[in-house]
Amino acid sequence: DSGVTQTPKHLITATGQRVTLRCSPRSGDLSVYWYQQSLDQGLQFLIQYYNGEERAKGNILERFSAQQFPDLHSELNLSSLELGDSALYFCASSPGGGTSGVVDTQYFGPGTRLTVL
Amino acid sequence: EDQVTQSPEALRLQEGESSSLNCSYTVSGLRGLFWYRQDPGKGPEFLFTLYSAGEEKEKERLKATLTKKESFLHITAPKPEDSATYLCAVYGNEKLTFGTGTRLTIIP
Repeated sequence: DSGVTQTPKHLITATGQRVTLRCSPRSGDLSVYWYQQSLDQGLQFLIQYYNGEERAKGNILERFSAQQFPDLHSELNLSSLELGDSALYFCASSPGGGTSGVVDTQYFGPGTRLTVL
Repeated sequence: EDQVTQSPEALRLQEGESSSLNCSYTVSGLRGLFWYRQDPGKGPEFLFTLYSAGEEKEKERLKATLTKKESFLHITAPKPEDSATYLCAVYGNEKLTFGTGTRLTIIP
């Protein structure tokens, strides 16, 4: 158990809908990262938040957005869902922000499996 | 653009048969190379971080090594419970870039 929690475990919805995925980082970690893992593409970095502020952005679609709240939990919002958005979505956390010095290890949660029908 | 290539894509070994997994990378300014283990439908589990060429890390039957262009994950006398997908990732341009993994199956 990494200490990172994600809810829900599974989510089934229809095209065009909007969903919210939730992540609680390990105690004391300030950074939260979101990743998408689909069968054909492997793990793709979406976005990082550090202490409430956006820190780095990857291949995140405009239909997707995220935020980190004062208690450091994070939410990933996916809207106008398409069939191709079906994937495993992982959250990871680390103590620091990776801005300088030694790079932190990212610890991953159990994931949310999203199925868009 | 940072790139990570892992080989082979899949590997089947008999229990006790040692082997190595390869991770080759191109990155502008490597700040760390990570190995994770992932079981089906689960989140990646951290194994090792390597920061500079020549560095080695060991944990039970696994040993990770790093050169300027690639990393190896050596598995010695594997057991069936070592069956998993092993992921390599590099931290370069402010993000982790993952390879697509090697799916390892250990046959009893």
